Amino acid sequence: DTAVSQTPKYLVTQMGNDKSIKCEQNLGHDTMYWYKQDSKKFLKIMFSYNNKELIINETVPNRFSPKSPDKAHLNLHINSLELGDSAVYFCASSQENRGNTIYFGEGSWLTVV
Amino acid sequence: EDQVTQSPEALRLQEGESSSLNCSYTVSGLRGLFWYRQDPGKGPEFLFTLYSAGEEKEKERLKATLTKKESFLHITAPKPEDSATYLCAVQAPRDSGYALNFGKGTSLLVTP
Repeated sequence: DTAVSQTPKYLVTQMGNDKSIKCEQNLGHDTMYWYKQDSKKFLKIMFSYNNKELIINETVPNRFSPKSPDKAHLNLHINSLELGDSAVYFCASSQENRGNTIYFGEGSWLTVV
Repeated sequence: EDQVTQSPEALRLQEGESSSLNCSYTVSGLRGLFWYRQDPGKGPEFLFTLYSAGEEKEKERLKATLTKKESFLHITAPKPEDSATYLCAVQAPRDSGYALNFGKGTSLLVTP
């Protein structure tokens, strides 16, 4: 069974559209993340969320919003998509404590045209 | 702010040719240094966590070591299947959600 799964794997959409990427983890973890990997393969944190609080990287535009219907899911909503949003988005999860291991999903390739 | 710098950016090795990847870091207090492997089209796969200077961990042909300023990933007698991008990261504190701050990675190619 896949520990962290995200859908869709590939998404091509037009500028200005609103889209969502779904993420589910079956590890029983209490903290989930969204990371963005740009064309140069640099992996950068966007959000960190557990059932207590959302921590947002201050560089993330407010067009991006995470939504968590329950502890096992953290979906990423993106409004008014721009060309620069094209990237690979990774969902991840961990159990909150010092030195916790973060497990990643397989990624969602977003292309904005 | 935590900083992670990896070198070299790319490395090409012959099968069996041992080498090391470097990860230099600057943090206010190390909570954990992580190594991941990423294959093309895949998510990062966890390899090791190191917590304190002098610590070492091994897995097959890989050995990770840690000092107060840097970590090394030693690859002994690599095989073509070791080809991947190796990512180093340091863990942010709780008020940053324990997120990982990554370096830009070292792309390793091992040729037969």
